Amino acid sequence: KAGVTQTPRYLIKTRGQQVTLSCSPISGHRSVSWYQQTPGQGLQFLFEYFSETQRNKGNFPGRFSGRQFSNSRSEMNVSTLELGDSALYLCASSVPGQAESYEQYFGPGTRLTVT
Amino acid sequence: SQQGEEDPQALSIQEGENATMNCSYKTSINNLQWYRQNSGRGLVHLILIRSNEREKHSGRLRVTLDTSKKSSSLLITASRAADTASYFCAHSGAGSYQLTFGKGTKLSVIP
Repeated sequence: KAGVTQTPRYLIKTRGQQVTLSCSPISGHRSVSWYQQTPGQGLQFLFEYFSETQRNKGNFPGRFSGRQFSNSRSEMNVSTLELGDSALYLCASSVPGQAESYEQYFGPGTRLTVT
Repeated sequence: SQQGEEDPQALSIQEGENATMNCSYKTSINNLQWYRQNSGRGLVHLILIRSNEREKHSGRLRVTLDTSKKSSSLLITASRAADTASYFCAHSGAGSYQLTFGKGTKLSVIP
């Protein structure tokens, strides 16, 4: 079974631009979560989608948004990029069911650099 | 922040030795998980322990959970150079896939 895939793997953008990152979960997984990893703040939860609905959202400004499609693929968008948005963005998918029973499978991440 | 803390922040050991990492958290949890990350890459799931479990084993890994102390430990026995990585604990609440991560322990295993 193919793992979680994320595209692109690396991205360089300029302050003020916007960016869209993509995540394809493992086949059959319907829950997709996004995390931001920075040296200063560590791993922080952005949002979680299940069946095209956002179920949870982390403490990030409205510039960060996401969506999930009917095939469970997910995208996240960051508008008006700031230098502090430079980070590794990780996507994770999980089997639907009892959340306490299932681990999450992470993709390789998208490394975003804002200059 | 509800982030947990991991201890130590960095650990350097010789190949063949055991490595122990500790994790503390602040809220009630449904499960606690440990992940490994190699140098800025994706996270690899290692082991999950539910809140009603006290100890779990998987290969060379042993995880304990003490919900009264809100703490967990990960023991890697007979370490190998390939175990060199950062290790994170993460927990989730009831019915939620949202993970709250600790700050991680950077493990270096010297051949």
